[in-house]
Amino acid sequence: GAGVSQSPRYKVTKRGQDVTLRCDPISSHATLYWYQQALGQGPEFLTYFNYEAQPDKSGLPSDRFSAERPEGSISTLTIQRTEQRDSAMYRCASSLDLSQPQHFGDGTRLSIL
Amino acid sequence: DAKTTQPTSMDCAEGRAANLPCNHSTISGNEYVYWYRQIHSQGPQYIIHGLKNNETNEMASLIITEDRKSSTLILPHATLRDTAVYYCIVRVVGYGKLTFGQGTILTVHP
Repeated sequence: GAGVSQSPRYKVTKRGQDVTLRCDPISSHATLYWYQQALGQGPEFLTYFNYEAQPDKSGLPSDRFSAERPEGSISTLTIQRTEQRDSAMYRCASSLDLSQPQHFGDGTRLSIL
Repeated sequence: DAKTTQPTSMDCAEGRAANLPCNHSTISGNEYVYWYRQIHSQGPQYIIHGLKNNETNEMASLIITEDRKSSTLILPHATLRDTAVYYCIVRVVGYGKLTFGQGTILTVHP
């Protein structure tokens, strides 16, 4: 596709529910990244994939957060047993490879009630 | 990743050059300097990056000091649409993570 596509754009859910966010990277981009952005702050790194491999999960805040990229293309970020503090914008980015600039999607705004 | 220091905010008149400074005095030899910007609630937008030489593209110029401890992003003819938060980031070659600081809020006024 022309750019990084994320869905849904907005997600509202009740505390305790599981949510799954989707990212469709730019076609042929090997590397995919997930960031969390609180209001008024810069994005914070969560994890990234190089093809299917997930070399760095250091930014995931807890074991409630997990990400997958099983076929090296589309990725999902799942948050189990959501808490109010999980409310944020979740941004996905992709790059041609690890040395190239990252290109960001418009994000998913997650609100936990 | 090396830490960066940027002014919290800057103003610029439309049509003038905007010069955004960044200090990265602890930068390592294998770290690039990247600039991104974020307009309102949009995703961050890549602007430019460099290792030690000055770089120019259609959006901006990047001037890196010889000792690599600081750099300046130059928007040659700022427009109202350049109003955004500008992030200076240092990133290890071949490593994915970008560490965003607080950035500089650039306001371009008529």
